[in-house]
Amino acid sequence: GENVEQHPSTLSVQEGDSAVIKCTYSDSASNYFPWYKQELGKGPQLIIDIRSNVGEKKDQRIAVTLNKTAKHFSLHITETQPEDSAVYFCAASIGYSTLTFGKGTMLLVSP
Amino acid sequence: ETGVTQTPRHLVMGMTNKKSLKCEQHLGHNAMYWYKQSAKKPLELMFVYSLEERVENNSVPSRFSPECPNSSHLFLHLHTLQPEDSALYLCASSQDWGQDNIQYFGAGTRLSVL
Repeated sequence: GENVEQHPSTLSVQEGDSAVIKCTYSDSASNYFPWYKQELGKGPQLIIDIRSNVGEKKDQRIAVTLNKTAKHFSLHITETQPEDSAVYFCAASIGYSTLTFGKGTMLLVSP
Repeated sequence: ETGVTQTPRHLVMGMTNKKSLKCEQHLGHNAMYWYKQSAKKPLELMFVYSLEERVENNSVPSRFSPECPNSSHLFLHLHTLQPEDSALYLCASSQDWGQDNIQYFGAGTRLSVL
């Protein structure tokens, strides 16, 4: 089955800096890659996703890039703010079926 | 408010107890999911229901028993649990299973097994 590795497990940045979280996947047939943000005491919430026919997608300060050849995808957050502090999960799925999640990255943004 | 409500938010139970977790979605979705979230581990998919039929059961011990009486409600019945079952249990829903995989999660039930 699919295996998703996520790095780093913890990331600390200063407010205004950029943050990058990277994920690799094992099954080349995977074609859907969402990113979820989980704030304390809440369930994960989708923040951005990308499908395998696209190399990059951007939504304001958040962007995701996909390299199908290398089987990795990354989340980029620019101009970080304290409210960006949360746990971020990447995931992958094949044919829109069930998701395989990474272990998560705790992002800490210091004022 | 995500449209997916889980109750209770916290639950403490002994190993011989029987309890149930409830999930309700107000989004008109056809697919519902149970996940287990443990510290430093990926989210583990437990069960998937589509149109009230179970479509996935990922080798979950029989002490966890799901029930989906209609497309808006999902239950997880618990009995004779072990301390290692302590975790956050998350419910999610999506418009359809195998079609659009954007999942909407509830806030979870924090379960402690003593």
